[in-house]
Amino acid sequence: EDQVTQSPEALRLQEGESSSLNCSYTVSGLRGLFWYRQDPGKGPEFLFTLYSAGEEKEKERLKATLTKKESFLHITAPKPEDSATYLCAVQSFAGGTSYGKLTFGQGTILTVHP
Amino acid sequence: GAVVSQHPSWVICKSGTSVKIECRSLDFQATTMFWYRQFPKQSLMLMATSNEGSKATYEQGVEKDKFLINHASLTLSTLTVTSAHPEDSSFYICSARRGGSYEQYFGPGTRLTVT
Repeated sequence: EDQVTQSPEALRLQEGESSSLNCSYTVSGLRGLFWYRQDPGKGPEFLFTLYSAGEEKEKERLKATLTKKESFLHITAPKPEDSATYLCAVQSFAGGTSYGKLTFGQGTILTVHP
Repeated sequence: GAVVSQHPSWVICKSGTSVKIECRSLDFQATTMFWYRQFPKQSLMLMATSNEGSKATYEQGVEKDKFLINHASLTLSTLTVTSAHPEDSSFYICSARRGGSYEQYFGPGTRLTVT
């Protein structure tokens, strides 16, 4: 069974204070690892897909990296508008009725204070 | 691109009644749509997967007769909560996936309150 664990559960930063969020996973054949941002009362917003170890992707102040066991979401010089819950999810190569299924972690609640 | 809408955004209904939630992919064709449920301060839990023109596949523990899913076209899926009870109150979110793509794009969610 695919499993995803995110840490820390909550992270408070001062504006401009860079940090990283962790996503550890176990999966029987990784098809893709996904990062989403979710604001309160809204659906998740797609950020990145990573497919293989060593891959990195960047978008504004966010950078996602992937190893064979975990992924990191690095936030550089965050701003208050980066405050949200960040969700990590994995998709395995399992087929049949499980095709396309995402398994989510519990998320990291990020708060950036001005 | 990759915009998914849901309607309604919130709904209040009385216990015993049925509620239908629509999920539409606005600018792409979605070969697969997914329905999730999210409780306060918890992550998303997959309820079912539906492919256009096929019966939905439900996750273990999800009552298929209570949560009816129809994926009638490549841009529309509906979730009907039948004989709703207060414990069905939750945040329901759909997502859609293009054929040949792995990413899922999520709708804004529907807040269901059963009184």
